[in-house]
Amino acid sequence: SQQGEEDPQALSIQEGENATMNCSYKTSINNLQWYRQNSGRGLVHLILIRSNEREKHSGRLRVTLDTSKKSSSLLITASRAADTASYFCATDVGGGGSEKLVFGKGTKLTVNP
Amino acid sequence: DAGVTQSPTHLIKTRGQQVTLRCSPISGHKSVSWYQQVLGQGPQFIFQYYEKEERGRGNFPDRFSARQFPNYSSELNVNALLLGDSALYLCASSLGLPRGQEQFFGPGTRLTVL
Repeated sequence: SQQGEEDPQALSIQEGENATMNCSYKTSINNLQWYRQNSGRGLVHLILIRSNEREKHSGRLRVTLDTSKKSSSLLITASRAADTASYFCATDVGGGGSEKLVFGKGTKLTVNP
Repeated sequence: DAGVTQSPTHLIKTRGQQVTLRCSPISGHKSVSWYQQVLGQGPQFIFQYYEKEERGRGNFPDRFSARQFPNYSSELNVNALLLGDSALYLCASSLGLPRGQEQFFGPGTRLTVL
């Protein structure tokens, strides 16, 4: 079973608007990573946030992590048509040296020009 | 610097056949992980290798096996293919130590089993 769940499953916005995607998970984590995937191609790494961090920024991306609520959010500001993709959160739940990532089903973001 | 590379890009096999997928990690990365992504789902963890040793194994049958070579490249083998093995197979690499680093994915191999 998948540990992470992204919400919403699909999101459609206009160019220039902000997009917020949420991720909930069930067990304790080492870190949480967000990825983007275009049309069934490889995953592009966006940002990693560690379990002892609360917020991280990278360009137009802002990620928050609330370990007490077991949730994270990804905010994309001033969205562009090129941001159209599926977005996945992945939790690092590996133990004993393993770096196993557990993914949710993703949020499909459509940015309309 | 080149990212993670995978070969082949696409592959079509028939039920019962065997397949080998290949992955080359980012230069300097010693850990390689394999994931399976079926249509409409997120990737699922199959294996992780670090310094040629298996570090983690997901909930996949013994038909799935992998290995890592001294140059840190890796192969994923799937025997006795089933229709349900049709998926995008993704390889990810990371530094490996300290653990918990970013994992960078390759473009994937699209496997179709007929």
